[in-house]
Amino acid sequence: QKEVEQNSGPLSVPEGAIASLNCTYSDRGSQSFFWYRQYSGKSPELIMFIYSNGDKEDGRFTAQLNKASQYVSLLIRDSQPSDSATYLCAVNAIQGAQKLVFGQGTRLTINP
Amino acid sequence: GAGVSQSPRYKVAKRGQDVALRCDPISGHVSLFWYQQALGQGPEFLTYFQNEAQLDKSGLPSDRFFAERPEGSVSTLKIQRTQQEDSAVYLCASSPGTGNQPQHFGDGTRLSIL
Repeated sequence: QKEVEQNSGPLSVPEGAIASLNCTYSDRGSQSFFWYRQYSGKSPELIMFIYSNGDKEDGRFTAQLNKASQYVSLLIRDSQPSDSATYLCAVNAIQGAQKLVFGQGTRLTINP
Repeated sequence: GAGVSQSPRYKVAKRGQDVALRCDPISGHVSLFWYQQALGQGPEFLTYFQNEAQLDKSGLPSDRFFAERPEGSVSTLKIQRTQQEDSAVYLCASSPGTGNQPQHFGDGTRLSIL
C-alpha cells in the first residue's frame, strides 16, 4: 500500500460544477496535509493546507480532513477551465519530520 | 518577493557525466528540500537541510547523489556518473521555519541523460 493514494484520473467536470478530489494516507501519525496544483511543465503551487479535523475554506477551495478515516479532500466550487491541472496531495508523515510524501496526483479537466 | 529560483531550467548530459543543479531558496527560509519527479508521478523526497545542516538524506537513491548548502542559503545537488534512470525533474522547495510548514517550490530543473 502506498503511503499517500490518489485516484490518478482523469477527472472530468463541467464548468461551474464542484470538483471533488480525494486522498487517503496510511500513517496515523500524520500531522499536516497539503494540496498543490501543478500545471503541465510547471512546478507544484500550494493551494491549501490543513492541520485539524474539519473543513477549511479559502475562496472557491475547501479542504476537508478526517484523521479517523485517514482521508483528506479538496473541493473546488464554480470550477473554471483554468482549474484544469494535476492536483497533488502531500502529507508530512511523521511528527517532527520535514519531508512531504506525495500522492501520484489527480488530473482534473474542466470542460467549458 | 522573489520565489525559489533553480538553474539551469534544462540540462542535457551524456551518460557518465557529472551534473550540478543549483537552488536559491526564498530569502530567510531556514528549511530547504530537494525532490525528484518522474513523468506522471508525484515528487519524491531526496534530502532536507535546516540552515547548513543536512538533517535527512534518506531519499538519495545512491552514493552518486550528493547535496550541500554550505552557507545555509544556496544549495547544490550534484549527480556523479549520471545514468539514464536519473532523467527526471529535480525540484527544490523551501519553507520559513523548522516545523511542518508549507513548502514553496521552484520551477525545477529538467534533466535528460542521453
